[in-house]
Amino acid sequence: QQQVKQSPQSLIVQKGGISIINCAYENTAFDYFPWYQQFPGKGPALLIAIRPDVSEKKEGRFTISFNKSAKQFSLHIMDSQPGDSATYFCAANHQKLVFGQGTRLTINP
Amino acid sequence: DVKVTQSSRYLVKRTGEKVFLECVQDMDHENMFWYRQDPGLGLRLIYFSYDVKMKEKGDIPEGYSVSREKKERFSLILESASTNQTSMYLCASSAAPNTEAFFGQGTRLTVV
Repeated sequence: QQQVKQSPQSLIVQKGGISIINCAYENTAFDYFPWYQQFPGKGPALLIAIRPDVSEKKEGRFTISFNKSAKQFSLHIMDSQPGDSATYFCAANHQKLVFGQGTRLTINP
Repeated sequence: DVKVTQSSRYLVKRTGEKVFLECVQDMDHENMFWYRQDPGLGLRLIYFSYDVKMKEKGDIPEGYSVSREKKERFSLILESASTNQTSMYLCASSAAPNTEAFFGQGTRLTVV
């Protein structure tokens, strides 16, 4: 069973636009929600993470919005750039890290 | 610079072979993980280990086993490789369960 559901599977955004990727989870015991970025031929790397005691975390152009009651969280990439083109994974942790299905993001110049 | 090193980038094995995937980390991390990555399915946890000699099953352990004889090394074993085990395998380590996990570059395994 997929404990973390991620959408969309693929996303195309124009340069300068806002990219939004959504995730939903079921297990209320999850207590750490990271987002990973993966470029072709590389392993995933941590982009930004949030804990459930806050509703938003911002690092540069990247923001996580967290809705504990809805059991949803999302990644917003402001002013999207071609260099942001990659696959993004949301994840949730309780004793082990569980990943969403991934979103392939393409930023058109 | 933190590093998780997987022994092979690409591997081709025959059905029925016993396959060893090796992973070494140089960060003195307690926790190590093996995932497989398939399109549309994300990363699925095969096995993990919170300590030397200790192992726990993940979500898809069938057909796999692991070994952790030393803290820095975590090996994934395919007892009898099958074509449905063709995949990208990723090793990761972390200092603690709710902290950043560092990934290796992956091993793309093809079973023919």
